[in-house]
Amino acid sequence: ETGVTQSPTHLIKTRGQQVTLRCSSQSGHNTVSWYQQALGQGPQFIFQYYREEENGRGNFPPRFSGLQFPNYSSELNVNALELDDSALYLCASSLSEGLLEQYFGPGTRLTVT
Amino acid sequence: AQKITQTQPGMFVQEKEAVTLDCTYDTSDQSYGLFWYKQPSSGEMIFLIYQGSYDEQNATEGRYSLNFQKARKSANLVISASQLGDSAMYFCAMREAISQGGSEKLVFGKGTKLTVNP
Repeated sequence: ETGVTQSPTHLIKTRGQQVTLRCSSQSGHNTVSWYQQALGQGPQFIFQYYREEENGRGNFPPRFSGLQFPNYSSELNVNALELDDSALYLCASSLSEGLLEQYFGPGTRLTVT
Repeated sequence: AQKITQTQPGMFVQEKEAVTLDCTYDTSDQSYGLFWYKQPSSGEMIFLIYQGSYDEQNATEGRYSLNFQKARKSANLVISASQLGDSAMYFCAMREAISQGGSEKLVFGKGTKLTVNP
């Protein structure tokens, strides 16, 4: 158990809809990163938040957006869902921007039909 | 940009035997770090082992060891005495800077599915 939780576990949405995924970081962790893992692929970096501000972003369109709250929990929002957005979405929390003490949550599996 | 290549889509090993999972990487950085993660069917990425480019010795963590060959740009994971619970996806990853402030992300390979047979 890493202490990182994600909700919901599974989600089915229709193309064009909007979705919000949630991540609760391990206690005291002020940095959260989000990754998208398509079927049969490795995770790809979406963005990172550090102390409530976006700290870096991968090659994802603006319809992928995020928030980090004062308690360091986090949301990933995706607007105008496309079929290719179907994937496992992983969040990872860490105490700083370093990676050696980073812990992943179990992921949210999103299916877009 | 960093690149990770895992050429083995799937590997099979008998219980109690050792297995090597291959990983090659490409980077122009002098200082870098390599990670291996295990992903069971539950989805969570579990950190296994880390190797820094300047570490003089190959990393070891229990039954996991990393065969780091810097000149060949390879960082193969060796699992000794395989157990049925080792059946999972295994990902090699490299750290990459995402800003000048020191923040980093992971760049992953496509993974290798390991099946341990009884």
